[in-house]
Amino acid sequence: EPEVTQTPSHQVTQMGQEVILRCVPISNHLYFYWYRQILGQKVEFLVSFYNNEISEKSEIFDDQFSVERPDGSNFTLKIRSTKLEDSAMYFCASSEKRGSGISPLHFGNGTRLTVT
Amino acid sequence: SQQGEEDPQALSIQEGENATMNCSYKTSINNLQWYRQNSGRGLVHLILIRSNEREKHSGRLRVTLDTSKKSSSLLITASRAADTASYFCATDEAAGNKLTFGGGTRVLVKP
Repeated sequence: EPEVTQTPSHQVTQMGQEVILRCVPISNHLYFYWYRQILGQKVEFLVSFYNNEISEKSEIFDDQFSVERPDGSNFTLKIRSTKLEDSAMYFCASSEKRGSGISPLHFGNGTRLTVT
Repeated sequence: SQQGEEDPQALSIQEGENATMNCSYKTSINNLQWYRQNSGRGLVHLILIRSNEREKHSGRLRVTLDTSKKSSSLLITASRAADTASYFCATDEAAGNKLTFGGGTRVLVKP
């Protein structure tokens, strides 16, 4: 069964450094998402992406964050200058075209980002 | 409460018992979905119920939706140790482009 893959599984970075989290969504999916989860807590929406542009973003997704689909297969999340509070598990997800509502999301296994 | 709040936060049962968890939300929705998360892993979709549906079944899962009360419940029947996980409801708001997840219910099924 096709799956969403995320790399790396664990990233450690120093405060102020830039990080890029990478995701390969399922190939025929059209909608892409990033979520984050601080250890054991709520799954928080960051951004949704469709047709090469952001569909919606949350208050968390400030100017330090950006997303890109550079080559038709990868979907990346960049954090320009990481803060300690960015430490979390970051999940990428994708879904098929939506009809009357969002189709089920397929999640990757996440990238654990640790900012020191 | 926030959109998509689960109740209880944690649940401990014996294998073979049923597990019931509830979800409340605030806005009009297109659909409501339930997901499962094993520790340290990604979320896995379990079941989707549309706003015009009242009940849906999938294997040992039964989901109900009451749009007048803005609430949903997930029932897992005849639980197994392998059902130990966190369960999240997620709402697809009528005017949005995202799923909003609740805080989850941690279910422990003791053998």
